[in-house]
Order: sequence, then C-alpha cells, then structure tokens
Amino acid sequence: SAVISQKPSRDICQRGTSLTIQCQVDSQVTMMFWYRQQPGQSLTLIATANQGSEATYESGFVIDKFPISRPNLTFSTLTVSNMSPEDSSIYLCSVVMRAPNYGYTFGSGTRLTVV
Amino acid sequence: EDQVTQSPEALRLQEGESSSLNCSYTVSGLRGLFWYRQDPGKGPEFLFTLYSAGEEKEKERLKATLTKKESFLHITAPKPEDSATYLCAVRGMKTSYDKVIFGPGTSLSVIP
Repeated sequence: SAVISQKPSRDICQRGTSLTIQCQVDSQVTMMFWYRQQPGQSLTLIATANQGSEATYESGFVIDKFPISRPNLTFSTLTVSNMSPEDSSIYLCSVVMRAPNYGYTFGSGTRLTVV
Repeated sequence: EDQVTQSPEALRLQEGESSSLNCSYTVSGLRGLFWYRQDPGKGPEFLFTLYSAGEEKEKERLKATLTKKESFLHITAPKPEDSATYLCAVRGMKTSYDKVIFGPGTSLSVIP
C-alpha cells in the first residue's frame, strides 16, 4: 500500500497567520483527501483534491479558508489561512489503497496549535 | 443521510478480558465498512474492510464481523498494546467518489 509523508508533524502558530501542510505519496494516486480531527473528535473530511482540477469541499469548509493545491499525482498541500484558536486540530491527508485490500491509507498527521 | 455511530465511547478492560466494540451504520447501499486503529498523535492505521453481511475478517487478536446494520470488532485476550482508539467508517452508494464517513470512535484501554 502507499506510504504517505506528511509535514510538518506539529506546529504552534500565532492567530491570524497561515500554515501550509504538505503531503507526499510514494506512488501516483488520482484523489487525495484532507481531514480535520478536532481534539477528542473523529475525522471530518475537509476536501477531496484531484490532480488538474479544483478541489471539492465539504459542507462547512471553504476554499478561502482551506486552499488546496494538487500540482501532480504524488503531492498535495493544504493551507489553513487566517488561523484562530478554533483551528487547533490534527490535519490528515489520505489516499485510497486498492491492494492488497481496498481501504484508505493516512499520513501521520499535523498537530496544529493556534495561540 | 449516511450515519455511523460507535459504542461504547470508552472501554476499559483487564489484560486477557475479551470484549466487543460496536459500529452501527445507516447507509444507502453499503460499498464498504472499514475499521481503523488510531494511536495518540498518529494517523489511523487500516485494519479491515468488510463488504457484505456475514463477512468476517481476522488479524491477530482482532476479528471483525458485519451484519446489515452493524459491525462488531471482537478483541480476544487483549494486551496493553491493544490500547488505542478504534474507528469505524462506511462508504455508501450515494458517494460519487471514494468518500467515507467516520464514526466517533471507541477509546480502548487495556490494563495490565
């Protein structure tokens, strides 16, 4: 299955600033998914990133706040813009794995704290 | 609307005390039910995919089963290293791409 490298692993940021999270996959994938996991909560899908097209955002998430880039089939970035303490969460990228089992592989996550 | 619930929210077991975690789902045409393990500060780790009622899968001390409305993750003779949050997720027919919905998770603690 695919191996995902995500960075940074953690960061502490000042409110009002932006942070860009990178996700690198060791194989070409069509779709990459970005999730948010708020403290003590489960995973919520932010958006789906397709190479060569605009990302598709879920209800409650907008491009101005969470711009996504997908320049090629192995890389994507998620930016958390104009941060507030409510953005403190773990952000995860994920890809579909099709062998040996159909499922999803996740990066190790970025733990963001906004102060 | 597709929904996933999990129970209990938290479970504390003595080492060797077997138990089960529940995942109840409502989905329009199940295209896959997934179990994950998540350790603190890490991304979810894939465990199983189940597709149809009656299907079972096993991995070491874990066994996942599926009915038309729920899935169980059975843990036999757990060890402290099995302590983690276990997440269930489903993919339904209405999704036009590989999107899944996650449940809230069950936090398992296994005490030596």
